[in-house]
Amino acid sequence: SQTIHQWPATLVQPVGSPLSLECTVEGTSNPNLYWYRQAAGRGLQLLFYSVGIGQISSEVPQNLSASRPQDRQFILSSKKLLLSDSGFYLCAWEVRGLRDTQYFGPGTRLTVL
Amino acid sequence: DAKTTQPTSMDCAEGRAANLPCNHSTISGNEYVYWYRQIHSQGPQYIIHGLKNNETNEMASLIITEDRKSSTLILPHATLRDTAVYYCIVREGSYNTDKLIFGTGTRLQVFP
Repeated sequence: SQTIHQWPATLVQPVGSPLSLECTVEGTSNPNLYWYRQAAGRGLQLLFYSVGIGQISSEVPQNLSASRPQDRQFILSSKKLLLSDSGFYLCAWEVRGLRDTQYFGPGTRLTVL
Repeated sequence: DAKTTQPTSMDCAEGRAANLPCNHSTISGNEYVYWYRQIHSQGPQYIIHGLKNNETNEMASLIITEDRKSSTLILPHATLRDTAVYYCIVREGSYNTDKLIFGTGTRLQVFP
């Protein structure tokens, strides 16, 4: 069966510090991968998606970037965090090309102080 | 922007059916309706999806109107663990990658 992991689960970072969040998927190959962010009390906002290694599409211009160094690894980064980067970050995967269901990871709660 | 509208909140007694409505009046012919739920501080959980016909699985039933402009998610016997925010989503995008546009959802409170 497929499993999606995210770490860390929680993170508190000062403004201006760098960020690296990791997402890995097990039990599938060539997935589409997604990064979403959820601000407190709000719905989910799509940040990035990837259809393959090194292929990243950005949905919202911002302080963040994403990379996909391996087929089942998706990384969200920032060089300098802003207060507005605080939120709940969720990674999701789906089987490519089937318009199938997106399955979400457990999320990382980021607080920028 | 989300292509769906849902009530902000609903209550349901434990053991009773919870019926969660969703309006999607601008849905296109090839767009699916998806339902997810999110329990506090967890990632969204897939529930069910459908195109035209009613669907049922072990978690819920999905009733889509004939004109496809609205749908209802039915939890047949709600439990306290069903307390969550429920999102109705119309899936849009290309064949290869789709975007789930989440709205603010319906906060369902199941009470004893």
